Amino acid sequence: AQRVTQPEKLLSVFKGAPVELKCNYSYSGSPELFWYVQYSRQRLQLLLRHISRESIKGFTADLNKGETSFHLKKPFAQEEDSAMYYCALVLSGGSNYKLTFGKGTLLTVNP
Amino acid sequence: DAGVIQSPRHEVTEMGQEVTLRCKPISGHNSLFWYRQTMMRGLELLIYFNNNVPIDDSGMPEDRFSAKMPNASFSTLKIQPSEPRDSAVYFCASSPSGGPYEQYFGPGTRLTVT
Repeated sequence: AQRVTQPEKLLSVFKGAPVELKCNYSYSGSPELFWYVQYSRQRLQLLLRHISRESIKGFTADLNKGETSFHLKKPFAQEEDSAMYYCALVLSGGSNYKLTFGKGTLLTVNP
Repeated sequence: DAGVIQSPRHEVTEMGQEVTLRCKPISGHNSLFWYRQTMMRGLELLIYFNNNVPIDDSGMPEDRFSAKMPNASFSTLKIQPSEPRDSAVYFCASSPSGGPYEQYFGPGTRLTVT
């Protein structure tokens, strides 16, 4: 069965420190992965997707098919990065697509 | 565009009562998703529609839960009868169909069943 695992429910770092939010997946097909973020009192929103190979707000994520991972990284964390982060895997069935989310990691960046 | 609209934002009800949550997707989006968020289970997909047709309802926990999409601009999620374990935040999201596009989420409805 398709599954997304985020092993850390909570992650706390200091401002300026590197941060890595882990995501592992199990999927027999060719995966498409996303990171979504939910800031306090805001809607859940897309942060980045692996096919874009982009950096958003200093965050990057590389798909490692050998390790079946899609970890989210930022070299220097900022206080405004404190939020709930969800890794998500796209499952496709013909022309229909749905997301399977991990359980999320709550990141706290301390001053 | 106001984005995905959900109502009510908060709902407190007693066990056994019927609860109806409402969602208006972004105009032009053909896919609509209902999720439930809890601390224990994270974000779970309950059901999703494509062009108003339910495609996958395997995430609907029990027969007490039902969802409809009578037209392209409106969907409801109903719980009857409600139970305390249904307490959660319920999100609606929409996206264009035909590809793994970004999903746009509503603000959520926080449901408390006492």
